[in-house]
Amino acid sequence: KAGVTQTPRYLIKTRGQQVTLSCSPISGHRSVSWYQQTPGQGLQFLFEYFSETQRNKGNFPGRFSGRQFSNSRSEMNVSTLELGDSALYLCASSAEAQSYEQYFGPGTRLTVT
Amino acid sequence: AQSVTQLGSHVSVSEGALVLLRCNYSSSVPPYLFWYVQYPNQGLQLLLKYTSAATLVKGINGFEAEFKKSETSFHLTKPSAHMSDAAEYFCAVSEGGNKLVFGAGTILRVKS
Repeated sequence: KAGVTQTPRYLIKTRGQQVTLSCSPISGHRSVSWYQQTPGQGLQFLFEYFSETQRNKGNFPGRFSGRQFSNSRSEMNVSTLELGDSALYLCASSAEAQSYEQYFGPGTRLTVT
Repeated sequence: AQSVTQLGSHVSVSEGALVLLRCNYSSSVPPYLFWYVQYPNQGLQLLLKYTSAATLVKGINGFEAEFKKSETSFHLTKPSAHMSDAAEYFCAVSEGGNKLVFGAGTILRVKS
């Protein structure tokens, strides 16, 4: 089986712009979670989608949003980018909502200038 | 809310020596605990998980961890370090379903 894929792998944006990141889960997986990884704050949970519904949400401002499509692919969007949004954004997929076994993608490295 | 503390941001061991990475958790309910490894420029790979079955959990690449409720600990060990074990290791606790709370991470260096 192919693993979790994330596109693009690297991205450079300017403050004030918006960005959309994409995640394709492992085939058959229905849950997709997003995490932000920064040197200062570490790994922080953004949100989780299961069967196109947001199940969990972390403590991030409303500028961070996401969605999941019927084929389980997920996108996250960050509007009005700030310098502090520079991070590695990781996507993880799992078969079920309570599977407790998540598979992570390689991440998208976002740099905001 | 659940939390995880990893003692030691950097650990250095010689090749062939015991690896011990420490993790303490705080949880108001029986926890589900995990260890992940991250190699440079890669995502996270699950090493092992504790989901209230056996307290000694065996994972991939020769790693294992023991859940000790009395000490609220879930330390990761490997009897003999290999150069390929050099990476960053994260302990995590589930805060419900697939929502994970991660520790700050421990960078493991293996000296030849």
